[in-house]
Amino acid sequence: DQQVKQNSPSLSVQEGRISILNCDYTNSMFDYFLWYKKYPAEGPTFLISISSIKDKNEDGRFTVFLNKSAKHLSLHIVPSQPGDSAVYFCAASEEDDKIIFGKGTRLHILP
Amino acid sequence: SQTIHQWPATLVQPVGSPLSLECTVEGTSNPNLYWYRQAAGRGLQLLFYSVGIGQISSEVPQNLSASRPQDRQFILSSKKLLLSDSGFYLCAWSSGAWGYTFGSGTRLTVV
Repeated sequence: DQQVKQNSPSLSVQEGRISILNCDYTNSMFDYFLWYKKYPAEGPTFLISISSIKDKNEDGRFTVFLNKSAKHLSLHIVPSQPGDSAVYFCAASEEDDKIIFGKGTRLHILP
Repeated sequence: SQTIHQWPATLVQPVGSPLSLECTVEGTSNPNLYWYRQAAGRGLQLLFYSVGIGQISSEVPQNLSASRPQDRQFILSSKKLLLSDSGFYLCAWSSGAWGYTFGSGTRLTVV
């Protein structure tokens, strides 16, 4: 049973436009959410996170929104750049610090 | 600064052979250590985590085992590999604060 779901395996966005990556979760005990970015043949790298007590966190071109009532979070990238092409993993954690990952969404930025 | 080393980067092993993947962390003490696997078509799956020397928790019953002989060393092992053990294995560490740092990963192919 997947606790963290990324239902879109892939997404293509025109360069300069907004990329929106979505994630749903089922465990209401999650108190921290993270996004990771992964290039081929490399390990995932941390991108941005949000605590469950917040509904928005912004870092440069990246903004994560959290809707706890819907158990949904999203990552917005504005403007999208070619280097943003990668696999993005949504992840969530409880107090014990283990994190649960989604399956990932492959983002392709079109020139 | 903290660094994490994981090796080998790629490995091709025959079915039934043993496995040993090593992960070491530098620049921190008493880290939480993790082994993840990303099999084809699946998201990252937590295999083992350790909060201290000799303390191993297994998340998924499988053909693998883990050991933590030293504070900053985490080893993933198998006595006899199966074809289904093929995948991309990631070591990660956490200080207990937010976020994780992943190793560069090991691509294991069992033939």
